[in-house]
Amino acid sequence: DTAVSQTPKYLVTQMGNDKSIKCEQNLGHDTMYWYKQDSKKFLKIMFSYNNKELIINETVPNRFSPKSPDKAHLNLHINSLELGDSAVYFCASSQVRGKLFFGSGTQLSVL
Amino acid sequence: AQTVTQSQPEMSVQEAETVTLSCTYDTSENNYYLFWYKQPPSRQMILVIRQEAYKQQNATENRFSVNFQKAAKSFSLKISDSQLGDTAMYFCAFMKHGPVARAQKLVFGQGTRLTINP
Repeated sequence: DTAVSQTPKYLVTQMGNDKSIKCEQNLGHDTMYWYKQDSKKFLKIMFSYNNKELIINETVPNRFSPKSPDKAHLNLHINSLELGDSAVYFCASSQVRGKLFFGSGTQLSVL
Repeated sequence: AQTVTQSQPEMSVQEAETVTLSCTYDTSENNYYLFWYKQPPSRQMILVIRQEAYKQQNATENRFSVNFQKAAKSFSLKISDSQLGDTAMYFCAFMKHGPVARAQKLVFGQGTRLTINP
């Protein structure tokens, strides 16, 4: 069983569209995250949730809206996609400081 | 704000050799955590090793060990008897200790691409 699963793995879409990425963890962790990895492989946190409560919102455009229906799920919705949103988006969960379990990433390409 | 710097964009060694990846960081905190994460071609990030700043003893995990120099703010990763499966991007990361565990975030370095050659 995959510990942190995110779908889809690849997402190709046109500028201006709205898209969602889903994430689920079966580890029973309280904290979940979204990280963005740019084309230079630099990883930066976007959001973190703890037990469905938004804890970290790292100066992300408000076109990005995370939603956590329960502590096992953290979805990311992106409105009005722009070329600069092209990146790999990683979901992760954690129960111990800094020990994150990552999903396999969603490669988003905006054309 | 904390920063993490990995000065080696790429490294390449032969199988079975030992390789050391460098990492320096900048912080005014006294209590924090340091990590090495590995990202193989499969793309999934995997924790390699974790060090708590208050512990003087360097962390080890099988063939992986660190050299933690708190005064110099240096945290290097040594991989002994390197294997083909060690080929990956390696990221150094920092996390403040902070009073609220859930409010802390990982700050990553730029990564080092390590290739193990047969």
